[in-house]
Amino acid sequence: NAGVTQTPKFQVLKTGQSMTLQCAQDMNHNSMYWYRQDPGMGLRLIYYSASEGTTDKGEVPNGYNVSRLNKREFSLRLESAAPSQTSVYFCASCFVAGGLAKNIQYFGAGTRLSVL
Amino acid sequence: AQSVTQLDSQVPVFEEAPVELRCNYSSSVSVYLFWYVQYPNQGLQLLLKYLSGSTLVESINGFEAEFNKSQTSFHLRKPSVHISDTAEYFCAVTSPGGTSYGKLTFGQGTILTVHP
Repeated sequence: NAGVTQTPKFQVLKTGQSMTLQCAQDMNHNSMYWYRQDPGMGLRLIYYSASEGTTDKGEVPNGYNVSRLNKREFSLRLESAAPSQTSVYFCASCFVAGGLAKNIQYFGAGTRLSVL
Repeated sequence: AQSVTQLDSQVPVFEEAPVELRCNYSSSVSVYLFWYVQYPNQGLQLLLKYLSGSTLVESINGFEAEFNKSQTSFHLRKPSVHISDTAEYFCAVTSPGGTSYGKLTFGQGTILTVHP
């Protein structure tokens, strides 16, 4: 039981390049989330997917797109990377019913992204 | 809208000393409260949570937190810290309402450094 798996663990991009961060969970959770972590700012929600086939913006969605490929997988795409997107990205999942979380969020190990 | 303020960005303490990490929240609705811990180069792990019932909650490794509704606080305490407690600690809040979808709002984080 791997929990939440993120790939890659590290990535260096040049300004303007694109990339996709992958996330998969094997806990049969219906809700998934992408956060970014910056020093002194905690974690901020980028996008979330309450269930398969739905996605919604979080606090800081600009510059990102997401795809909920199936129940297990939720990817985050940077179409044209900018230095301001240098950050650590975390994927998380939990089970939500009736709009209410029924358990805690489980987090992946993170992707450390540098944009030069 | 909800917000979380962690009042100390860094807390240095000596081993076996007591520690308190402070967390205040703002919300117009009822809340669930969490403390997550992040060890270096790892993802976030749940330390403890308050959902309902007893306002004092405990973790398996000796931490405790008390929900104080009148002071809108959820401070984390440990009577005697170990070197292995060195990590970054995040306070987070969500609402049990029907549209929260488990989304968490995090504080800025507190880096606890335990010195020998």
